[in-house]
Amino acid sequence: DARVTQTPRHKVTEMGQEVTMRCQPILGHNTVFWYRQTMMQGLELLAYFRNRAPLDDSGMPKDRFSAEMPDATLATLKIQPSEPRDSAVYFCASGILTGPEGYTFGSGTRLTVV
Amino acid sequence: QKEVEQDPGPLSVPEGAIVSLNCTYSNSAFQYFMWYRQYSRKGPELLMYTYSSGNKEDGRFTAQVDKSSKYISLFIRDSQPSDSATYLCAMSNQGAQKLVFGQGTRLTINP
Repeated sequence: DARVTQTPRHKVTEMGQEVTMRCQPILGHNTVFWYRQTMMQGLELLAYFRNRAPLDDSGMPKDRFSAEMPDATLATLKIQPSEPRDSAVYFCASGILTGPEGYTFGSGTRLTVV
Repeated sequence: QKEVEQDPGPLSVPEGAIVSLNCTYSNSAFQYFMWYRQYSRKGPELLMYTYSSGNKEDGRFTAQVDKSSKYISLFIRDSQPSDSATYLCAMSNQGAQKLVFGQGTRLTINP
């Protein structure tokens, strides 16, 4: 089965440190999403890319978050500096242009900032 | 107020019961309506999606969309313990565009 691979699965870091999360989308998928999930807010869209170009990053705190796709097989989400309120599960999902049935989520990166 | 509202539950029912999960929304531009299932420590997986209004059935699962009321439902018949998970509704105004999710309803099916 094709899958979206996210690394690391878990990350504990101290406040102020840089955090980098990585995502390998499914081969052939041209749309990549970053979502954040918390108990209070649920799933929130942070940013998404189509054909590696950023389409929308309005859900992302610009001062500390950045998202990139250096190539078609890698998407990254960076937080610098990290804060305790960034503690959440970060999901990457990839899909194709034709419709929602093509979305596949990774298993997420569980981030804890202490 | 959130664009998509979903009762977070938790909801606990006996095995074999019919389960009804619901979401309301405020954005009339939404055209695609989806239900995702999320097991603990896993990413959401797509269960069903519906375009515009109407019903869709897949095995024990039925999705309904009422655009006039801005209300969607997921029914699970003959519920099984393996159906225990968090169910999230999601919507978008175009295919393969960003999804707006509900809070998710945690469901437990008791044997």
